[in-house]
Amino acid sequence: AQKVTQAQTEISVVEKEDVTLDCVYETRDTTYYLFWYKQPPSGELVFLIRRNSFDEQNEISGRYSWNFQKSTSSFNFTITASQVVDSAVYFCALSEDSGNTPLVFGKGTRLSVIA
Amino acid sequence: DTEVTQTPKHLVMGMTNKKSLKCEQHMGHRAMYWYKQKAKKPPELMFVYSYEKLSINESVPSRFSPECPNSSLLNLHLHALQPEDSALYLCASSQPLAGTTYNEQFFGPGTRLTVL
Repeated sequence: AQKVTQAQTEISVVEKEDVTLDCVYETRDTTYYLFWYKQPPSGELVFLIRRNSFDEQNEISGRYSWNFQKSTSSFNFTITASQVVDSAVYFCALSEDSGNTPLVFGKGTRLSVIA
Repeated sequence: DTEVTQTPKHLVMGMTNKKSLKCEQHMGHRAMYWYKQKAKKPPELMFVYSYEKLSINESVPSRFSPECPNSSLLNLHLHALQPEDSALYLCASSQPLAGTTYNEQFFGPGTRLTVL
């Protein structure tokens, strides 16, 4: 069975600090997809990134970067020079490529960036 | 157009009311989803429509009835709800990758439902 663990329930940082959100996953499939979503106070879930299990390259997009390590089953997300607008709940999710298996979400990490 | 729209934004209903939530996307996606999200919890999958056919029902009570009139629209009909059904209801859509059924999902802003 698939499972996503986000051990950090809440994180609070001061603006301009770097912060890393952890995500550990479990799956029996060799082909799977990992995702990060951001949910600001408005409620809408915003898609940030998709990574498939065969692509272990790290990715950087502006202040955001993702570190995918199959050896430790982790897909961590780092925000550099955090800003108040980064305050949100961040969800890591997993989808197995074995047919009708949609997203399984972690419990989310609430990030508060203080000015 | 890369958005999913949902109406209404807020809904308050009594336990004897019948109401409907609506979701629309014009991205040509062929999979659409309903999720329920309680406060401080992750979204929980309710239903999945794939190519306008119901493909997953996560043992949702019959007081929730989904409908997919066409490839762009998804409805959720509500009847005889309970106060514990109060939650944020999120709609999402995705375009399946070749060889898979599901891919990244794009979410609407949600309908915040309160059942009195």
